[in-house]
Amino acid sequence: DSGVTQTPKHLITATGQRVTLRCSPRSGDLSVYWYQQSLDQGLQFLIQYYNGEERAKGNILERFSAQQFPDLHSELNLSSLELGDSALYFCASSPLKDRVGTGELFFGEGSRLTVL
Amino acid sequence: AQKVTQAQTEISVVEKEDVTLDCVYETRDTTYYLFWYKQPPSGELVFLIRRNSFDEQNEISGRYSWNFQKSTSSFNFTITASQVVDSAVYFCALTLASGTYKYIFGTGTRLKVLA
Repeated sequence: DSGVTQTPKHLITATGQRVTLRCSPRSGDLSVYWYQQSLDQGLQFLIQYYNGEERAKGNILERFSAQQFPDLHSELNLSSLELGDSALYFCASSPLKDRVGTGELFFGEGSRLTVL
Repeated sequence: AQKVTQAQTEISVVEKEDVTLDCVYETRDTTYYLFWYKQPPSGELVFLIRRNSFDEQNEISGRYSWNFQKSTSSFNFTITASQVVDSAVYFCALTLASGTYKYIFGTGTRLKVLA
């Protein structure tokens, strides 16, 4: 158990819909990262937050948005869903001592999104 | 730009064989960190090792060993006497000590260990 909690674990929805994925980082971790893993694909970095502020942005679509709340949990919002958005979405957090983001990432179990 | 290449898409070995997973990285920075993660069939990603760019000592942990060579920009991972439980997708990753805070992952190598 990494200590990172993601909900829901599975989600099935239709094209055009909107979903919200939630992540609670490990206790004490201020950084949250979101990654997308499509079928048989590697991990694509989406976005990173540190203590409520956006720190880095990757290949995140405009239809997607995220935020980190004062209690440090984060949400990834996916809207106008398309079939190609079906993927495993991972949240990860990193230790407080590695403020610049060089420590290991602790991953949640992922949220598997299926768009029909 | 930074890049991580894992050229081996899938490797199959028979139990007890040794296997090496290759990782080649690209960066112009002199200070960076390299990682290996394991993703078993259950899906979660498990941290295996972190290595900083100033530490080229090889590391051994049980049946796992890592060979870091800056001269060839490689950070290879060897499993000795492989076991069925080693079957997983293994990812190599890179992050810099400054600036972007992004962790760049390779595309992963799927290892199948056959009984």
